[in-house]
Formats: sequence, C-alpha cells, structure tokens
Amino acid sequence: GAVVSQHPSRVICKSGTSVKIECRSLDFQATTMFWYRQFPKQSLMLMATSNEGSKATYEQGVEKDKFLINHASLTLSTLTVTSAHPEDSSFYICSARSVSGQGTDTQYFGPGTRLTVL
Amino acid sequence: KNEVEQSPQNLTAQEGEFITINCSYSVGISALHWLQQHPGGGIVSLFMLSSGKKKHGRLIATINIQEKHSSLHITASHPRDSAVYICADTHSGGSNYKLTFGKGTLLTVNP
Repeated sequence: GAVVSQHPSRVICKSGTSVKIECRSLDFQATTMFWYRQFPKQSLMLMATSNEGSKATYEQGVEKDKFLINHASLTLSTLTVTSAHPEDSSFYICSARSVSGQGTDTQYFGPGTRLTVL
Repeated sequence: KNEVEQSPQNLTAQEGEFITINCSYSVGISALHWLQQHPGGGIVSLFMLSSGKKKHGRLIATINIQEKHSSLHITASHPRDSAVYICADTHSGGSNYKLTFGKGTLLTVNP
C-alpha cells in the first residue's frame, strides 16, 4: 500500500525554539495533506489542511502564525512549530490524500512525530 | 455537528476470543474508516467502506448506512491485536475530505 513518512519521529527541544516536521508521500502524489495533533488519551484533532501550491486551511483555534505549514511539492508538506512552549508537546501526525485512477479516495497516515518541549 | 461515538472505550479479551467494536455517527457520510494505532503511536488504515462489508484476514468491517452504524470484528484474537482502534467518518463536501474521529477503543488481548 501507499507509504507516508514523517521526520523526525521524536524531537526534544527547548522552549522558545522552532521545530520543523516533514511529511512525505513516498510512492504517490498528494495534492492534499492533513496535519493532526493528539494529546495523551485523546482523539486525533485536525489542525490544518495543506494544499499543494496554496495556503493551508487552519481549523478553528489553531494559530496559523505559530504552526506554519508549507506544501511546496506534491510529495512534501512541512509543519513548523514556532516558538515552541511546553503546552505544544504532543504527538503530531500527518496524512496524505490519494485518489486512484479508479476514483478510490483514501488517506494514508504517517507514523507520527512525538514533540517534547522542555 | 457530526459526532462519532465508539463503544466500548476499553475492551479486554483472552486470546482466541471474537471481538466486536462499534461505531455510530450522527450525520450521513461518504465513507467510514477503521484505523489501528499501536502504543508507539503510528496509525495504520485498516478499512475504508461506504456500504456492506469488507474482510481482510481476521478482520471484518461492516456498515449499515440506514442505521449510521459500523462494526469492526476480530476473529481468533491474538495479543498482537492489542492496540487502539479508531473509527472516523468523512464527508466529501468540498474538496478537502476531512475526517471526524471517534475517541478510540483500547483493546487488550491477553495470552
């Protein structure tokens, strides 16, 4: 099946620094990628929808200036957490939308990135 | 507002037991997903279905569109099936294909 990778898988940073997380679709082109955040024992929450070549669409309550999203190519989207704070510590997961030649529309999830802000 | 409810929240079973996890949604959908999340956090997509039934190995997913209900069944459960199982629905209105997630069911299969 289709593969989506994320890098890094884990990152620990100091408060006030910025962290970039990459999401790549390895064997298909994804015009749409999604960024989710998951706090312990909670469900995934959609942060933003990333469309190749255009600005991301952020969900209500997500600060677009704090969580910068860039989808510069059909296989790569990046999420940058700027001026990270301990409350940004979470599990960040991306997914990439794939539409097959037969019209099957599905999402493939990355393995996630565990961010810890000290 | 669309809501996705799963039951049970937690489920403990003995190896070999037949397991059922239920999912209900409130608004008509275009597709329903069943996902598996292991302790390390990575998510695997198990099924996407919009009608009927799908089977993959020991896993079976069914959906009843009229009743807005889906079930995930695991036959001959094994300790390696221990994970969080999440259902999510999607509405294809517009072009963004967003998922709404349930809170997940934590399954523990004991040897």
